[in-house]
Amino acid sequence: SAVISQKPSRDICQRGTSLTIQCQVDSQVTMMFWYRQQPGQSLTLIATANQGSEATYESGFVIDKFPISRPNLTFSTLTVSNMSPEDSSIYLCSVTRGTTGNTIYFGEGSWLTVV
Amino acid sequence: TQLLEQSPQFLSIQEGENLTVYCNSSSVFSSLQWYRQEPGEGPVLLVTVVTGGEVKKLKRLTFQFGDARKDSSLHITAAQPGDTGLYLCAGARGSSNTGKLIFGQGTTLQVKP
Repeated sequence: SAVISQKPSRDICQRGTSLTIQCQVDSQVTMMFWYRQQPGQSLTLIATANQGSEATYESGFVIDKFPISRPNLTFSTLTVSNMSPEDSSIYLCSVTRGTTGNTIYFGEGSWLTVV
Repeated sequence: TQLLEQSPQFLSIQEGENLTVYCNSSSVFSSLQWYRQEPGEGPVLLVTVVTGGEVKKLKRLTFQFGDARKDSSLHITAAQPGDTGLYLCAGARGSSNTGKLIFGQGTTLQVKP
């Protein structure tokens, strides 16, 4: 398994502000992923964060709104910019493990409420 | 576009009953994972299935991957209140293990004592 720590675990944010979520993994991984889970819904992939290159964003997500950093092989950050109530979600960091890289583990998530 | 249809979305049963959750797609997945998520927490991996026709058991939980790797099922025998939670299936996209997942809508299970 993988130990994935996220900070903050919860926060209440003012509309129009930005918040950076940190993800720390217990060992080096090539790819890290950021997902969003809106209230009552399933998970949607935001972007893939590779060390040494720009993040790759999925359809519907843009770098200006969700800038991502990946300074090394154990750490990544996701910023939610200019927040609105629609950004109230759980944001989850995940990594792949296993000999074929087909097992994906998640952090505990960061629950953001925008007021 | 690859989609995963998960059913049922909600299930409320009595302790001791059996249940099955289904996850179906028209697309082939290189692997499929099942997760359980409790309120306010991240999804916890239950199992990964890779081979078509594969069956894996985890105590009272039985997971099956369809022969064509397009569908999967989770069967719980003699459900307990501790099984209550959100169950998510997720398929790995593409022919390689890129780590990108497509999630089903989730099944909210409530097991009443």
